[in-house]
Amino acid sequence: DTGVSQDPRHKITKRGQNVTFRCDPISEHNRLYWYRQTLGQGPEFLTYFQNEAQLEKSRLLSDRFSAERPKGSFSTLEIQRTEQGDSAMYLCASSLGAYSSYEQYFGPGTRLTVT
Amino acid sequence: TQLLEQSPQFLSIQEGENLTVYCNSSSVFSSLQWYRQEPGEGPVLLVTVVTGGEVKKLKRLTFQFGDARKDSSLHITAAQTGDTGLYLCAGRISGTYKYIFGTGTRLKVLA
Repeated sequence: DTGVSQDPRHKITKRGQNVTFRCDPISEHNRLYWYRQTLGQGPEFLTYFQNEAQLEKSRLLSDRFSAERPKGSFSTLEIQRTEQGDSAMYLCASSLGAYSSYEQYFGPGTRLTVT
Repeated sequence: TQLLEQSPQFLSIQEGENLTVYCNSSSVFSSLQWYRQEPGEGPVLLVTVVTGGEVKKLKRLTFQFGDARKDSSLHITAAQTGDTGLYLCAGRISGTYKYIFGTGTRLKVLA
């Protein structure tokens, strides 16, 4: 079990460019979450997938943000026309949909800097 | 708006001291998790508590879930420099799979 992986770990982009991040969850986990974390704050929920279905989306996720999980395995988060306010750590987490505690396991994150 | 407030926000103590971190909300949670996060890394799960009044121990760390499942505490006995980090609580909103995170407690343990 290699854990949750995210790619890239760091991304620097110019304002107005599009960026895409990838998350590979733990292999048997059917739930996948995206969060955004700014300096000094706890992670903020962005969106959640159960298998390939996007079941919930935060109001924080503007029209410039889109997430997919096409085959219920890896997921991508795309930000179009990036703004400086998008600079943050983007975290992915996965969990097993068993009737227990729904524990989330996080990846190392992708640090986005918009210049 | 559902909020999870953590206190204190910052804590600097000497090695060997005890400390308690609190996580409070007006909302009821199905479960609550505690994480520790190092700079530039994702949060690492420490424990999950599910039942109101539940107490879990992990070596020198003791976690408690409030009877009403609205609050939780983390107590560290005889802190070590390796305990330094950002401690986060996260509650799962009842009836959903959505989690909200606390604001975090940044702990520094001095040798």
